[in-house]
Amino acid sequence: EAGVAQSPRYKIIEKRQSVAFWCNPISGHATLYWYQQILGQGPKLLIQFQNNGVVDDSQLPKDRFSAERLKGVDSTLKIQPAKLEDSAVYLCASSLDREATEAFFGQGTRLTVV
Amino acid sequence: GNSVTQMEGPVTLSEEAFLTINCTYTATGYPSLFWYVQYPGEGLQLLLKATKADDKGSNKGFEATYRKETTSFHLEKGSVQVSDSAVYFCALRRNSGNTPLVFGKGTRLSVIA
Repeated sequence: EAGVAQSPRYKIIEKRQSVAFWCNPISGHATLYWYQQILGQGPKLLIQFQNNGVVDDSQLPKDRFSAERLKGVDSTLKIQPAKLEDSAVYLCASSLDREATEAFFGQGTRLTVV
Repeated sequence: GNSVTQMEGPVTLSEEAFLTINCTYTATGYPSLFWYVQYPGEGLQLLLKATKADDKGSNKGFEATYRKETTSFHLEKGSVQVSDSAVYFCALRRNSGNTPLVFGKGTRLSVIA
């Protein structure tokens, strides 16, 4: 079974530039999450999708971050404009359905803002 | 709100030593509890889980028991190997509804030969 795919693996941008990350969840997984993991900290939820609808985006900095999951499969997370403090690993995860207790994670995208 | 507190790292052990990484939680209701592991250069992988009080999760020689009375889920392994060197994350998830994982800050383990 293929896992959660993310790209790119690494990205370096200058502050005030924009960047986009892509995630392809495990086939058939209805729930998709984006987490931000700052160095030395645990992952923090940014946004959760159920199919193509947003379940929770309370922690998403909406002035600069946006995410979409068109057609309820792939998802993109965008930052515009980026700040130095956005340097982190961005993790995508998916789970099967509402009752699933396990989430499967991708390898993440490491973003460095200089 | 829901939160997870893990012991600070890094933890450095010699091969075959006993490992304990403490984890306590605060949650409304009775959550499911997890340990995830992140090996160098890789994504998070589920190590073990427990979904109700007194359950013991186990995998690859690691164990953790869901203790409701002490709100704890400590990770243990009797004899660590160099290949266990990684960052370990304790996490919880509410059992009601489709809720996300809440993670602790992680504990880095280094095992030396």
